[in-house]
Amino acid sequence: EAGVAQSPRYKIIEKRQSVAFWCNPISGHATLYWYQQILGQGPKLLIQFQNNGVVDDSQLPKDRFSAERLKGVDSTLKIQPAKLEDSAVYLCASSLGANTGELFFGEGSRLTVL
Amino acid sequence: GQQVMQIPQYQHVQEGEDFTTYCNSSTTLSNIQWYKQRPGGHPVFLIQLVKSGEVKKQKRLTFQFGEAKKNSSLHITATQTTDVGTYFCAGRVLSTLTFGKGTMLLVSP
Repeated sequence: EAGVAQSPRYKIIEKRQSVAFWCNPISGHATLYWYQQILGQGPKLLIQFQNNGVVDDSQLPKDRFSAERLKGVDSTLKIQPAKLEDSAVYLCASSLGANTGELFFGEGSRLTVL
Repeated sequence: GQQVMQIPQYQHVQEGEDFTTYCNSSTTLSNIQWYKQRPGGHPVFLIQLVKSGEVKKQKRLTFQFGEAKKNSSLHITATQTTDVGTYFCAGRVLSTLTFGKGTMLLVSP
């Protein structure tokens, strides 16, 4: 069974530039999550989708971050414009359902903002 | 919002010593999960606890869920160098899963 796929693995940009990350969850997983993990900290939920609807985006900085999951399968997370404090690993995860069950994480996309 | 606190932040043990990390939530949880993240890797699921007072074992790892479903612990007996990594608890309230900051475990041979 293929795991959660993410790209790119690494990205270096200058502040005020934009960046997009892509995630393809495990086939059949209805719930998709984007987490931000700053070095030395735990993953922080940015947005959670159930199929193509948003379940929780309360911690998403909506003035600069956006995410979509148009067909209920893969998802894109965009940052525009990027700030220095956005340097982090962006982890995508998926699970069968929203209220229980394990999360399967991708390898992550490491963003460095200079 | 929901907060999940985890202690200690960091622990360095000699191989063969025991290790425990504690997790505390500000709200009553539906369930709690534990994950392990190796250096440079991504979080990998270890276990989920659902019932009040539940205890589960996986070889040398023992997981407990408190009676009030607000705290949990992970105990490793006789650590090995392969146990190195950061252990995260993640508490679920309804559909939202909130991670603690993790406990980094170093094991010296």
